[in-house]
Amino acid sequence: QQQVKQSPQSLIVQKGGISIINCAYENTAFDYFPWYQQFPGKGPALLIAIRPDVSEKKEGRFTISFNKSAKQFSLHIMDSQPGDSATYFCAASTGSGNTPLVFGKGTRLSVIA
Amino acid sequence: SAVISQKPSRDICQRGTSLTIQCQVDSQVTMMFWYRQQPGQSLTLIATANQGSEATYESGFVIDKFPISRPNLTFSTLTVSNMSPEDSSIYLCSVLTGGLGQFFGPGTRLTVL
Repeated sequence: QQQVKQSPQSLIVQKGGISIINCAYENTAFDYFPWYQQFPGKGPALLIAIRPDVSEKKEGRFTISFNKSAKQFSLHIMDSQPGDSATYFCAASTGSGNTPLVFGKGTRLSVIA
Repeated sequence: SAVISQKPSRDICQRGTSLTIQCQVDSQVTMMFWYRQQPGQSLTLIATANQGSEATYESGFVIDKFPISRPNLTFSTLTVSNMSPEDSSIYLCSVLTGGLGQFFGPGTRLTVL
């Protein structure tokens, strides 16, 4: 049973466009929702994270939107650049992030000029 | 964030042998985890490395196959025993830093022939 469902599996966006990746979860005990960026041959890097007491969090060009009632959260990358081309993973955990993460299956983003 | 190093970065091993992967953190951390990432796939938690006690394994992973040591708050090892080609994966250690999130090492890319 997949606890965190991520879509789309792959995404192609024009340079300067908005990249949107979506995740849905079932476990209402999840209270910490991070996004990771992974380049080939590297470990995942923490990008941005949100807790369910807020509906949106923005850091630079990256924004997480969170809908608690729908049990969904999404990552928006504004003004997408070729350097953003990577695999993005959503994740979730309980205990305010102090427990192991459950990951979505990942989205491979390609930003083309 | 914590600086995490792993050794080796990659290795090619023969079927039936064992490989020990080291994870070193530049600061003391309470929780360390080991994940596996099969080629082109998401991350799956193998176990939580507990300092001073036996590791806590996830369903599908057993101590005889993946023995883990954690002698102190900055170091852990994962051994992949009696390897088969199905064990070819990237093995990642990660740490929880107080309130800052979970961070990953660069990974160890293992190929079993």
